[in-house]
Amino acid sequence: KQEVTQIPAALSVPEGENLVLNCSFTDSAIYNLQWFRQDPGKGLTSLLLIQSSQREQTSGRLNASLDKSSGRSTLYIAASQPGDSATYLCAVIDSGNTPLVFGKGTRLSVIA
Amino acid sequence: DVKVTQSSRYLVKRTGEKVFLECVQDMDHENMFWYRQDPGLGLRLIYFSYDVKMKEKGDIPEGYSVSREKKERFSLILESASTNQTSMYLCASSVAGGELTGELFFGEGSRLTVL
Repeated sequence: KQEVTQIPAALSVPEGENLVLNCSFTDSAIYNLQWFRQDPGKGLTSLLLIQSSQREQTSGRLNASLDKSSGRSTLYIAASQPGDSATYLCAVIDSGNTPLVFGKGTRLSVIA
Repeated sequence: DVKVTQSSRYLVKRTGEKVFLECVQDMDHENMFWYRQDPGLGLRLIYFSYDVKMKEKGDIPEGYSVSREKKERFSLILESASTNQTSMYLCASSVAGGELTGELFFGEGSRLTVL
């Protein structure tokens, strides 16, 4: 059964720092991987979707990479801002039409 | 933009009441999902549906049922609410087929408190 792990569970950094959030999964035969952001008391907002044939995706200051063979994905946030403070979750899709398997997220605090 | 709308952001109900949580998506997505989210437990899948009138149990279906009479609408039903069902409920939808299969879009969530 696929398991997704995100370490660390919480992270606090000063404003302006570049940072990396980690996501690992146990079964490398994934279809897609998706990164989300969640603000307190709100739903999840999709940040990036990486298809299994891709190595990375970029959106603004965010860059997500995927290494299927090692079962890892990273979300790189450049020049962090206080507005980036949120919980970041990753999720994988094992096959074309099965529910995503979620990690428990990393709670990020960016201190001004 | 994809929009997933949950009818109620906050609800307070009493033990034993029947509760309906409604979710509507406007992007003609085939797949719809209901999750609950609790501190320390993460997101847990309750039910999902790949088509109208179809439903599949997720990881924690006990105490819940669902209805999907129209493609755009997926309802979660608590037949007799209990205090352990106090939680944040999240609805999501995704397209089936193609390269973007599985890309999930969420609603804003419904915070349910059962007294």
